[in-house]
Amino acid sequence: SQTIHQWPATLVQPVGSPLSLECTVEGTSNPNLYWYRQAAGRGLQLLFYSVGIGQISSEVPQNLSASRPQDRQFILSSKKLLLSDSGFYLCAWRTRQTNTEAFFGQGTRLTVV
Amino acid sequence: QKEVEQNSGPLSVPEGAIASLNCTYSDRGSQSFFWYRQYSGKSPELIMFIYSNGDKEDGRFTAQLNKASQYVSLLIRDSQPSDSATYLCAVSRDTGRRALTFGSGTRLQVQP
Repeated sequence: SQTIHQWPATLVQPVGSPLSLECTVEGTSNPNLYWYRQAAGRGLQLLFYSVGIGQISSEVPQNLSASRPQDRQFILSSKKLLLSDSGFYLCAWRTRQTNTEAFFGQGTRLTVV
Repeated sequence: QKEVEQNSGPLSVPEGAIASLNCTYSDRGSQSFFWYRQYSGKSPELIMFIYSNGDKEDGRFTAQLNKASQYVSLLIRDSQPSDSATYLCAVSRDTGRRALTFGSGTRLQVQP
């Protein structure tokens, strides 16, 4: 069966520090991968998506970046965090087939102080 | 206009009652429709997925889709206190990025 791992679960980082969040998917090949952010009490906002290795599309201008170095690995990064980067970061995957579900990782709670 | 609209609630129902959650969307090209349950501080959990007009039932949950009206609903029968959570509606196209667009969620409270 397919599973998705995301770490760390929680993170407290000072303003101006770098960030690296990692997500890996098991049990499937060539998935679409997504990074979402959920601010407190808000809906999920799509940040990045990837349809293949090295293929990254950004949905929202910001100081975050994403990379996909391997088929089932998706990384969210920042060189210098801002207070506004605080939130709940969620990785998701979906197969390439039509009419299929999308599943989320456990999420990372990021607090920038 | 938001792409996916939900009443934020809270929707309060007594234990054992039917909870009815509604969602409208603006993109007529949407092809897949999702309901996720999210407990406070946790990741969204997929509970229903539908892509054809009509009803889809899974246990106590029934999803209803009406593409002509751009409307999706979720019925929860025999509501339990453990159903108390925020329910997120999401839609997507099945071409291109195939990313899900979410509503802001409806908070459901089931009173014991």
